[in-house]
Amino acid sequence: QSALTQPASVSGSPGQSITISCTGTSSDVGAYNYVSWYQQQPGKAPKLMIYDVSKRPSGVSSRFSGSKSGNTASLTISGLLAEDEADYYCGSYTTGSTAWVFGGGTKLTVL
Amino acid sequence: EVQLVESGGGLVQPGGSLRLSCATSGFTFRGSWMSWVRQAPGKGLEWVANINREGSETYYVDSVKGRFSISRDNAENSLFLQMNSLRAEDTAVYYCVHNSGWRFGYWGQGTLVTVSS
Repeated sequence: QSALTQPASVSGSPGQSITISCTGTSSDVGAYNYVSWYQQQPGKAPKLMIYDVSKRPSGVSSRFSGSKSGNTASLTISGLLAEDEADYYCGSYTTGSTAWVFGGGTKLTVL
Repeated sequence: EVQLVESGGGLVQPGGSLRLSCATSGFTFRGSWMSWVRQAPGKGLEWVANINREGSETYYVDSVKGRFSISRDNAENSLFLQMNSLRAEDTAVYYCVHNSGWRFGYWGQGTLVTVSS
């Protein structure tokens, strides 16, 4: 069981927007603005998409955005493209004995 | 271009040992925290360990404490993970990861470790 809770799957049609939630606790997501999101295509390494809750690394499309409220962070992808189909993981720094925790991952299907 | 290339994975029997290596280039290795993150087959990501810039501070997930040891060679721009007393549940792809601030900025392609008799 992962430390952060994500829905197992979400889906949307091309052009639509989807949101993936990531629920933690007051020891991780709620304690720090150090939530990040990773995209993983099949057979590939994860890629950083969002960091520090809402910042985008250079080269990442502005269609990707992040936010946080309390113990829940969210990743929103607008204007869905077929190439967005992938697994998405949230991660957070934590005060617990484990320095970093991840969510279980969400499979995004573009219909 | 940032590159992280892992090596050293393979098949090992339960109780055995392996040493993973990660050769890096394209960034200031000695100025960077580094981590190992693993992913069991068909499962999610799990942070395993990290190390500070000088190699004087190391941190581990509880499940590997006392069995795994992370280290680095700043002269060779290389990161290592010594894994002892391996268990079936350690079977995973192990990624070498560059820590950029409070995030995992760059990832290697991973090396598969299989623990089985």
